[in-house]
Amino acid sequence: DQQVKQNSPSLSVQEGRISILNCDYTNSMFDYFLWYKKYPAEGPTFLISISSIKDKNEDGRFTVFLNKSAKHLSLHIVPSQPGDSAVYFCAASPSSNTGKLIFGQGTTLQVKP
Amino acid sequence: DTAVSQTPKYLVTQMGNDKSIKCEQNLGHDTMYWYKQDSKKFLKIMFSYNNKELIINETVPNRFSPKSPDKAHLNLHINSLELGDSAVYFCASSHRRSLYYEQYFGPGTRLTVT
Repeated sequence: DQQVKQNSPSLSVQEGRISILNCDYTNSMFDYFLWYKKYPAEGPTFLISISSIKDKNEDGRFTVFLNKSAKHLSLHIVPSQPGDSAVYFCAASPSSNTGKLIFGQGTTLQVKP
Repeated sequence: DTAVSQTPKYLVTQMGNDKSIKCEQNLGHDTMYWYKQDSKKFLKIMFSYNNKELIINETVPNRFSPKSPDKAHLNLHINSLELGDSAVYFCASSHRRSLYYEQYFGPGTRLTVT
C-alpha cells in the first residue's frame, strides 16, 4: 500500500523547456512534502520542500505546487538543463517531529540538449 | 571530504550469512537513518536514531539490528541473510530529527544475496 505515488516512471524534455514531475499521495495527514534528486551511484540530495499550509514554493528554477484537495503535488523545472537529468523522488511526512519520510518510486527525467 | 559515507559500496554474500554495513557522517548531525531501496525503487525508512536513541523502528524483520556507537556512526547488522534482503541500503543524517532539517544521504550500499 504505497501512500506516495509517482505514476510516470520517466519523462523526456528538450533543453530550455519546462519539466513537470507529478506526485500523488493518499494520506490527508501528511503535512510536509519534499523533492529529492538522485544521480546514478549517488545518494538522493534535497531539492525543495513545501509545508501543507502553503500551495507554492519557489527556489530558482524549481517550483513546487501543492494541491491539498487533490492530494497532488508537482515539481516544475524552468528552464530545464541537461544537468537536471536524474531520478526525482517525491517524499511526504506524517509527522514533522520524527524525520520520517515516505518516498515515491521516482521519476527519471532526461533533458535532451 | 565525504559528508555521509558508507562501507562497503558493494556487498555480495550467500544466504544465511551475517553481514554489517557501516555508516559515518562528519557533519555534526545528531540524527541518522537507514533506508532500503527495493527492486521497485521505493525508498523505505527502516530505522532512525537521534542522539543514539532509537526513534523510528519500522516493520523490519528482527534479523536487522541497527547499532549507534556514537552520534557520528550508525551501523546496520543483518543476520541470516535472505534473498529478499537484496537491495540498495542508504544511510542518511540530519541536524535534528525534524523534517525542517534536510537529510543528507550516503552513496548507498548495494547488497546482493545469492
